[in-house]
Amino acid sequence: AQSVTQPDIHITVSEGASLELRCNYSYGATPYLFWYVQSPGQGLQLLLKYFSGDTLVQGIKGFEAEFKRSQSSFNLRKPSVHWSDAAEYFCAVGENSGGSNYKLTFGKGTLLTVNP
Amino acid sequence: SAVISQKPSRDICQRGTSLTIQCQVDSQVTMMFWYRQQPGQSLTLIATANQGSEATYESGFVIDKFPISRPNLTFSTLTVSNMSPEDSSIYLCSVEGPGTPLHFGNGTRLTVT
Repeated sequence: AQSVTQPDIHITVSEGASLELRCNYSYGATPYLFWYVQSPGQGLQLLLKYFSGDTLVQGIKGFEAEFKRSQSSFNLRKPSVHWSDAAEYFCAVGENSGGSNYKLTFGKGTLLTVNP
Repeated sequence: SAVISQKPSRDICQRGTSLTIQCQVDSQVTMMFWYRQQPGQSLTLIATANQGSEATYESGFVIDKFPISRPNLTFSTLTVSNMSPEDSSIYLCSVEGPGTPLHFGNGTRLTVT
């Protein structure tokens, strides 16, 4: 069965600092990988996704993620964090399950706090 | 990308009652999914809503508790039946279709008292 581990429950960074959120997955085949962000009281917004091809994926809001098969990782990065980035971030792996390629298993999330 | 509308956005319900949550998409989508996010937790898939056939439920979720309808390619409902305080969660609809890789609605925040 597939699984996703986000080792950091809570991260605090200063505004303008760089950010890396870790994500490790377990999946037998080539994974479909996603990062979502959830602001307080909101639903989930897709930041970026990896299906195949270039292992460095660009997303919205200046985020990027790198797929490293050898490390089973899909870490999310941003060079300079803004106060509005404070939110909870979820990594997910999509399962190829017949009719749908995207039945997702989510990690437990990383809460990002941004200090002024 | 698809625009997903969920109704209601929040509700407070008494135990033993049922609530039906609606998910409307502004374009036809292949797949619709229902997730639950319990307080302080991650998301768990409840079921896949199949158009024209019964929903496919994940382990731990049953049709009697979470009946789902999918009458067409743009609409689905999830009912939370015979509610207890343990059902207090955010329920989210997500969709997948051509050019629409798994977007989520804003969710329904349910509190059961």
